[in-house]
Amino acid sequence: QKEVEQDPGPLSVPEGAIVSLNCTYSNSAFQYFMWYRQYSRKGPELLMYTYSSGNKEDGRFTAQVDKSSKYISLFIRDSQPSDSATYLCAMRANTGGFKTIFGAGTRLFVKA
Amino acid sequence: DVKVTQSSRYLVKRTGEKVFLECVQDMDHENMFWYRQDPGLGLRLIYFSYDVKMKEKGDIPEGYSVSREKKERFSLILESASTNQTSMYLCASSSPSFKNTEAFFGQGTRLTVV
Repeated sequence: QKEVEQDPGPLSVPEGAIVSLNCTYSNSAFQYFMWYRQYSRKGPELLMYTYSSGNKEDGRFTAQVDKSSKYISLFIRDSQPSDSATYLCAMRANTGGFKTIFGAGTRLFVKA
Repeated sequence: DVKVTQSSRYLVKRTGEKVFLECVQDMDHENMFWYRQDPGLGLRLIYFSYDVKMKEKGDIPEGYSVSREKKERFSLILESASTNQTSMYLCASSSPSFKNTEAFFGQGTRLTVV
């Protein structure tokens, strides 16, 4: 079983839709939860991060962490064609040498 | 703007060749990482380094080695390239701050071994 599971998609939505991207994990030691966005032929860039449980909002993006269910989500409101990218979840524990575990990434297409 | 630069965007090498992938960062970061990215598998850590001349194995180090002679430069070496090493290779750097989770990535090197 992988430590982090993420549906690879692709996920196709119309412009303006609310998008929900999710990951599950098995390691209860994970404390830092990140979402990276990767455009085609580019390296990933950090979109949001959350420490421990709870919600975090940044503009049209909301990250949620439910540690009891070992489940994290990224919501995108009013999705735009420019949001079309691959979204990778990533997680890290407080120990283990800062090693970050990445999900496989979900490919998102937002149609105009 | 912070920058992680990988020496090549695309490389084609023959089986058995020794291959060098170079990565340079300008952020004075102590930590540097090499990942490979394959469809359906996500990013897998090959090697990482916390300081000059230090290196630690990641999850899939077999067939690879690394070199960190200067703080800003981290090289990945494929000792004898094989077709199953065809992949996208990504270099990243980060500061060692305990709470700093952000890793800055290069643009990637797409390596094809024929």
